[in-house]
Amino acid sequence: GAGVSQSPSNKVTEKGKDVELRCDPISGHTALYWYRQSLGQGLEFLIYFQGNSAPDKSGLPSDRFSAERTGGSVSTLTIQRTQQEDSAVYLCASSLASREDTIYFGEGSWLTVV
Amino acid sequence: KNQVEQSPQSLIILEGKNCTLQCNYTVSPFSNLRWYKQDTGRGPVSLTIMTFSENTKSNGRYTATLDADTKQSSLHITASQLSDSASYICVVSALGSASKIIFGSGTRLSIRP
Repeated sequence: GAGVSQSPSNKVTEKGKDVELRCDPISGHTALYWYRQSLGQGLEFLIYFQGNSAPDKSGLPSDRFSAERTGGSVSTLTIQRTQQEDSAVYLCASSLASREDTIYFGEGSWLTVV
Repeated sequence: KNQVEQSPQSLIILEGKNCTLQCNYTVSPFSNLRWYKQDTGRGPVSLTIMTFSENTKSNGRYTATLDADTKQSSLHITASQLSDSASYICVVSALGSASKIIFGSGTRLSIRP
C-alpha cells in the first residue's frame, strides 16, 4: 500500500476484554515496529519484527501483550485482559530493511479501556 | 544509560518568526539521528535523518544540525507557518537491536497568527 495502514483507528473496550490491533506495512518493507504513546507522552518501544521473526520483544510491558506477523506483511498486536493503563495510541511503523532506513509510521490505533 | 532529551518542552512563537529546537543525547554507539513532526492525533512523519558524518541536512524550511562530538542536534525552522504547529520528536538510533531506537519526549511548538 501507499502507507502504513492501521485498524481499527479507534477502539473502546471494557476492562478485562481482549483486543487485536492490526498493522499493514508498506509493501516490501521487511522491518516492522510497534510503539505505544500515552497521552502527552513520548513513544515507548514494544516489539520489532524482521520478516516474520521478532528478534526484539524487550518492550512488551507484560505477558498480556503479544504480537505476530505472518507472510512477512501484516502484523497483529494482541492485548489480553485489558487494563485501564493500556489506554494509549498504538503506533505501527515499517522500514525497508533495517533501522538505518527511514521509518514510516501509521496513523495509530487509539485504544480506550473503560 | 541511553537517553534523548529535548528542549524546550513547549514553545510559542508568532507566525513568520524563526525558532530552534534542541536535542541532546547520550546514546552510544551512535548510528543515526532523525527528526520527526507529529501533528496532533496523527502518526510521526520523518523530516530528516543524519548519520555520524553529516553535520547538517535541510528539508524545505527545516534545517537540522548534528554535532557528534558534543552529542547535540538542533532543528531550525525558518519563516514559521501556522501548519508548523506540532510536536517535534528527536529520535536517536544506536547500533544493536531495534530497541536501541530512543525517542525524545518532543517539543510542542505552537505558531500564533
